[in-house]
Amino acid sequence: SQQGEEDPQALSIQEGENATMNCSYKTSINNLQWYRQNSGRGLVHLILIRSNEREKHSGRLRVTLDTSKKSSSLLITASRAADTASYFCATAFTGTASKLTFGTGTRLQVTL
Amino acid sequence: EAQVTQNPRYLITVTGKKLTVTCSQNMNHEYMSWYRQDPGLGLRQIYYSMNVEVTDKGDVPEGYKVSRKEKRNFPLILESPSPNQTSLYFCASSPIKGASGHGYTFGSGTRLTVV
Repeated sequence: SQQGEEDPQALSIQEGENATMNCSYKTSINNLQWYRQNSGRGLVHLILIRSNEREKHSGRLRVTLDTSKKSSSLLITASRAADTASYFCATAFTGTASKLTFGTGTRLQVTL
Repeated sequence: EAQVTQNPRYLITVTGKKLTVTCSQNMNHEYMSWYRQDPGLGLRQIYYSMNVEVTDKGDVPEGYKVSRKEKRNFPLILESPSPNQTSLYFCASSPIKGASGHGYTFGSGTRLTVV
């Protein structure tokens, strides 16, 4: 399967701490994207990083991409209770720029 | 407001009774796709469409049909639903931007139960 894999499957932290989630994939990509899903709701696009980029920031989010290791990480700094959600990485493989393959997600719980 | 609208939000049906889940987007996106989400399996693509009258199978197309007669609409059809199609379904759309890619806009989901 070309599906990406997130690690860890679940993460529990306290408000104010940083949360790091990792994603690994198997074949060459055009881009990698991160999405958030609140329980049972639709996914929301967070950030896209292209294969020729190594790091990208958006507010409290920082994404890194290491194409040599076929891996990416999502860092949420100063987490809040509202960040509680599942986070998915999605990869667009080379030659399929619009077709995304999703991983199984990391469940993040941020407690007060 | 730019959005993808799915209907219905919840649906309980019986085995074999044909049903259609509608999906509509107001962003003039070329690309539309259907996913199903099951615990432990993540999101799996059912069908996708690159433009009007252009559809193709995803990873799990068995038991589903789609059509793309208009750019904005991409209905998912279950001709003879079975209990293993009980799932949470999502429609998504995206503009086609070549190799640079673009984020998807997702609908709110349809929770389908087949008994």
